[in-house]
Amino acid sequence: GESVGLHLPTLSVQEGDNSIINCAYSNSASDYFIWYKQESGKGPQFIIDIRSNMDKRQGQRVTVLLNKTVKHLSLQIAATQPGDSAVYFCAENMGSNTDKLIFGTGTRLQVFP
Amino acid sequence: DGGITQSPKYLFRKEGQNVTLSCEQNLNHDAMYWYRQDPGQGLRLIYYSQIVNDFQKGDIAEGYSVSREKKESFPLTVTSAQKNPTAFYLCASKGSSNIQYFGAGTRLSVL
Repeated sequence: GESVGLHLPTLSVQEGDNSIINCAYSNSASDYFIWYKQESGKGPQFIIDIRSNMDKRQGQRVTVLLNKTVKHLSLQIAATQPGDSAVYFCAENMGSNTDKLIFGTGTRLQVFP
Repeated sequence: DGGITQSPKYLFRKEGQNVTLSCEQNLNHDAMYWYRQDPGQGLRLIYYSQIVNDFQKGDIAEGYSVSREKKESFPLTVTSAQKNPTAFYLCASKGSSNIQYFGAGTRLSVL
């Protein structure tokens, strides 16, 4: 079936280093992707999104890269801070006719001082 | 939490009991969603509504029911038919963009 998955369930980084969280998607018809951050006991928080007609999009300290050839999505966090510790989810929207998002299982990012 | 309010924050259900989770948004969004999240897992779609007085089943609708009588409200009822209701329930809404904004969640446990 169609799914969104993550390569690494847990990522540990040192404060100040850059983090890269990866996501694989299987549906080539997906035209929109979102990254969410979820802190413990809270709802997911929107970080950044990207449409399939783009390869890269930058935000404040975050960059999303989309490689449609291999159906791969990544979230890069620059100068990772303790406040970045959370679970990160990617989600895909499978075409403009659907209003639904399919979420991956998440990657836990742990930041050490 | 972006104008989306879920209540209560914690809820306990007795066996055979129906319970209703509240979700209210003041963002004037047309679409609203209910997700279930189990420990260490992603979000699974229960029901969604693209407009008032209309809603569709998601991937795991069995044992749940919803209503959308008002634009700002999308309550979820966990019925006694849902045999494994313990989970974290998340409500989201979406406006003209594709971004879904989430509430803080309701944690449901079984007594």
